[in-house]
Amino acid sequence: QSVLTQPPSVSAAPGQKVTISCSGSSSNIGNNYVSWYQQLPGTAPKLLIYDINKRPSGIPDRFSGSKSGTSATLGITGLQTGDEADYYCGTWDSSLSAGVFGGGTKLTVL
Amino acid sequence: EVQLVESGGGLVKPGGSLRLSCAASGFTFSSYSMNWVRQAPGKGLEWVSSISSSSSYIYYADSVKGRFTISRDNAKNALYLQMNSLRAEDTAVYYCARDLFSSTFDPWGQGTLVTVSS
Repeated sequence: QSVLTQPPSVSAAPGQKVTISCSGSSSNIGNNYVSWYQQLPGTAPKLLIYDINKRPSGIPDRFSGSKSGTSATLGITGLQTGDEADYYCGTWDSSLSAGVFGGGTKLTVL
Repeated sequence: EVQLVESGGGLVKPGGSLRLSCAASGFTFSSYSMNWVRQAPGKGLEWVSSISSSSSYIYYADSVKGRFTISRDNAKNALYLQMNSLRAEDTAVYYCARDLFSSTFDPWGQGTLVTVSS
């Protein structure tokens, strides 16, 4: 069981918007930087969002992040079939002295 | 180009040992903390271990504490993971990842598969 809680799956039609939630606690999301990763089928994870809502170069602004208290949210607008992937949130847990990830959310673009 | 390339994976019997390596290039390796993250077949990501830039701070997941040892050689731009007393549940793709800051991992290597089976 993961320290961070994500929905197992979300789906939406092409062109629509979807949000993926990530719930934690004060020892992780509440007091540490949150990042989001995209893992396309058969590939290594890739950094998508860091420091709550910053995007590495090359990541389109269709991807956004937010945080409120001990929860974080990834938003994706203008969905494309190429966005079908597993998405993970991650952060540091100060109580565990360990990195932690959510269980992952599979995005299906119908 | 910033690049991480893992090697050393393979098939090992339960109770056996394996040493993974990660070769870094394209950035000042000695300035960054580094991590190992694993992914069991069909499962999610699991953080394994991290080591600070000068090896002063080392952390492990409870699931590997006492069995795995992380190390680095800044002169060789290399990260290592010594895995002892391997179990079936250690079967996974092992990724090395640079820590930009506070467990923000970028980039990731392509991964190396470790299979623990008799």
